[in-house]
Amino acid sequence: EIVLTQSPGTLSLSPGERATLSCRASQSVSSSYLAWYQQKPGQAPRLLIYGASNRASGIPDRFSGGGSGTDFTLTISRLEPEDFAVFYCQQYGNSLWTFGQGTKVEIK
Amino acid sequence: QGQLVESGGGVVQPGRSLSLSCDASGFTFSSYGMHWVRQAPGKGLEWLTFITYDGSKKYYADSVKGRFTISRDNFKNMLSLQMNSLRTEDTAVYYCVRGTLLYGDYWGRGTVVTVSS
Repeated sequence: EIVLTQSPGTLSLSPGERATLSCRASQSVSSSYLAWYQQKPGQAPRLLIYGASNRASGIPDRFSGGGSGTDFTLTISRLEPEDFAVFYCQQYGNSLWTFGQGTKVEIK
Repeated sequence: QGQLVESGGGVVQPGRSLSLSCDASGFTFSSYGMHWVRQAPGKGLEWLTFITYDGSKKYYADSVKGRFTISRDNFKNMLSLQMNSLRTEDTAVYYCVRGTLLYGDYWGRGTVVTVSS
């Protein structure tokens, strides 16, 4: 089973700043198989990025994904107040999903 | 975009069974694979199971294999999760998720399952 490790655990930033979140896999992951989700308190997760770099429908272009192999990133170019949340990466492999433990982006 | 509404959660004793349902609307349910994902209190996300659009293939996480069964009724636009031999560690919010085998593009709001004596 592929293990995803996200860093940092918590990111404290101000609105307008750039956020860079990391997701590292224990084995190489096909870029097609890497997704990112956002979860706000009390809400269900929302798909942000699929295929490592493709924005889901309705996702603002300040969200971007990149990376390959074992290292993937989610970047929020300029944080808006509504962006503060927990972010999870997820990969598909061997007929199952695994998630990273999450990165919390909080207001500084 | 559609809507997914989970139901059936509640408080159940260890060792007992519970059945969850997910009613789908606003999209062609029979064209999509479906997942169940759960989230224990204060914890991260855990994938549980996936069923293909036609119900022909099912996949399970090791943690629930042999205890949980996913099924669907494409005539009723409904997804189900039968949970047997429940354990305290099964306490979580259970989400119904529309998607491919690779990712989930739409999530329901979840239903809470509490396993406690």
